[in-house]
Amino acid sequence: DTGVSQDPRHKITKRGQNVTFRCDPISEHNRLYWYRQTLGQGPEFLTYFQNEAQLEKSRLLSDRFSAERPKGSFSTLEIQRTEQGDSAMYLCASSPGDSVREQYFGPGTRLTVT
Amino acid sequence: QKEVEQNSGPLSVPEGAIASLNCTYSDRGSQSFFWYRQYSGKSPELIMFIYSNGDKEDGRFTAQLNKASQYVSLLIRDSQPSDSATYLCAVSDTGRRALTFGSGTRLQVQP
Repeated sequence: DTGVSQDPRHKITKRGQNVTFRCDPISEHNRLYWYRQTLGQGPEFLTYFQNEAQLEKSRLLSDRFSAERPKGSFSTLEIQRTEQGDSAMYLCASSPGDSVREQYFGPGTRLTVT
Repeated sequence: QKEVEQNSGPLSVPEGAIASLNCTYSDRGSQSFFWYRQYSGKSPELIMFIYSNGDKEDGRFTAQLNKASQYVSLLIRDSQPSDSATYLCAVSDTGRRALTFGSGTRLQVQP
């Protein structure tokens, strides 16, 4: 399978704990995006990387959230001191970049904060 | 605030009919338009994209774009029960690339 992969697929954590999600984009895609989706809503943009550079962060990305893409390949999204409002599906997407604008999503990580 | 508006539905059509899904957007700078299909509990799947005014056809799907009216639509011909899903409209501008999504329209195709 050469699609976008995400790990874990599900995460249940207690309020106040830290969690980290991983995304592996489609090989040779240089743009990587993180989105968050809650029930009944469309995905909301969080941040995006071109290669290893984080080029944009949404206002949704509070200081408890941090994302990295250290070698321009996989990316991690960490949430510190989780809150119940962080419960959502966290989606990663990748795009070849340049003139190709289409984004392809991974299966997502569903986070439940209890 | 850039907005993408969709009727939440459900839109119910009989099997074999044409389903018409509509989307309006507020940012006149939007350049790229996408339709994603999302089954319950799954992630969005890209089914169509369109960048120029007019129609674009791919199999049973046709995307229509009217930038002057800030309107994009998706037609699904010969609808099948397997097409029952939520359809998300997304837009982006050339510089930013991040997608702004609508809340989606739930389509139900009745056998």
